[in-house]
Amino acid sequence: DAGVIQSPRHEVTEMGQEVTLRCKPISGHNSLFWYRQTMMRGLELLIYFNNNVPIDDSGMPEDRFSAKMPNASFSTLKIQPSEPRDSAVYFCASSLLGQVTDTQYFGPGTRLTVL
Amino acid sequence: AQSVTQLGSHVSVSEGALVLLRCNYSSSVPPYLFWYVQYPNQGLQLLLKYTSAATLVKGINGFEAEFKKSETSFHLTKPSAHMSDAAEYFCAVSEGGSNYKLTFGKGTLLTVNP
Repeated sequence: DAGVIQSPRHEVTEMGQEVTLRCKPISGHNSLFWYRQTMMRGLELLIYFNNNVPIDDSGMPEDRFSAKMPNASFSTLKIQPSEPRDSAVYFCASSLLGQVTDTQYFGPGTRLTVL
Repeated sequence: AQSVTQLGSHVSVSEGALVLLRCNYSSSVPPYLFWYVQYPNQGLQLLLKYTSAATLVKGINGFEAEFKKSETSFHLTKPSAHMSDAAEYFCAVSEGGSNYKLTFGKGTLLTVNP
């Protein structure tokens, strides 16, 4: 059974460029989370979708970040323009119903380096 | 507001020794508590969770954790470490209810020496 799929696994880009990260959640899950992991700040929730609708985007650092979920099987996180401080590992996770007691299943992450 | 403190960013044990990873939480309501493990270059995987049932929770790979309200702790233990346990471990807390958010600790890197 396929888990959460993320692409690309690694992305190296130059400052000012647009970056798009992609996520395919586990089939049948109706909740999706985007996290960012850095050495300084640890693991932070960026945005939470339930039934394809953004419920909480309070963790999105600034307007340069945007996320969409056009359907139940696909989500994107876009950074435009990218900056060196955006360098981090970005994880997508999905859960069955989005309740806190549900297990969140994490993808392998996208390691983003902005030069 | 909920928060998690993991004492010790790096713990080193010998193979076969007891593993003890510490986690203390802060929550204004009875919390839900989780331990996740992250192997190199992989995403996080749930080890176990406390959701207000039994205070001693057993998880995968021989790990267990005990919820102690009086100490606001949820320490993770394993009687005998295996080389394959080497990974980073994250404790997380949620206040539950309509609050779906998990707040993660900074993580503890476990090294297992032969």
